Amino acid sequence: AQSVTQLDSHVSVSEGTPVLLRCNYSSSYSPSLFWYVQHPNKGLQLLLKYTSAATLVKGINGFEAEFKKSETSFHLTKPSAHMSDAAEYFCAINTGGFKTIFGAGTRLFVKA
Amino acid sequence: GAVVSQHPSWVICKSGTSVKIECRSLDFQATTMFWYRQFPKQSLMLMATSNEGSKATYEQGVEKDKFLINHASLTLSTLTVTSAHPEDSSFYICSAEGDPLAGPNEQFFGPGTRLTVL
Repeated sequence: AQSVTQLDSHVSVSEGTPVLLRCNYSSSYSPSLFWYVQHPNKGLQLLLKYTSAATLVKGINGFEAEFKKSETSFHLTKPSAHMSDAAEYFCAINTGGFKTIFGAGTRLFVKA
Repeated sequence: GAVVSQHPSWVICKSGTSVKIECRSLDFQATTMFWYRQFPKQSLMLMATSNEGSKATYEQGVEKDKFLINHASLTLSTLTVTSAHPEDSSFYICSAEGDPLAGPNEQFFGPGTRLTVL
């Protein structure tokens, strides 16, 4: 079985400060891991993905995530938050041939 | 990147009517399409997986006679909500998989359709 747990339902940061959105996963096989962003009433946009290549993955809009097998984590980070980063973020997992499982989501608030 | 469109982006209908939502992959042939439902402030719930030319595979608890899925071509899947009721009001999102330029299991999402049943 596979699953993802997003540890925070919401995170609030000030503009210009670092962002950390946490995601832990469980999988019996080598997973593909994804982070998506969703703005209100919009579909999901892929930020970045890990598919067994480099463990530090760089994505769009300055986001990156590090796959840590020993910690079963795939946390999303950004050095400096921007107001436009305020959105809902979903971590997701797929272990090849099975359906993609989404985490519950983390709402990111960015204060001016 | 690959683009997936949905139509309509929002729809309001009367209780008892049927509503069709289209999902198209615009620049690649989608081997598989997925339909999700999202309640306010919640995550995506997979409703069904469809492959072109075959019957959709529905998730447990999803009524296949209520939510009809047709995947007639490699670029088009439709979801029809039959005899809609207010509890069917939700945000419906489709995704498509199969872009040869994408990584394994990478899905591309449509912009979603907001359904409101009065």
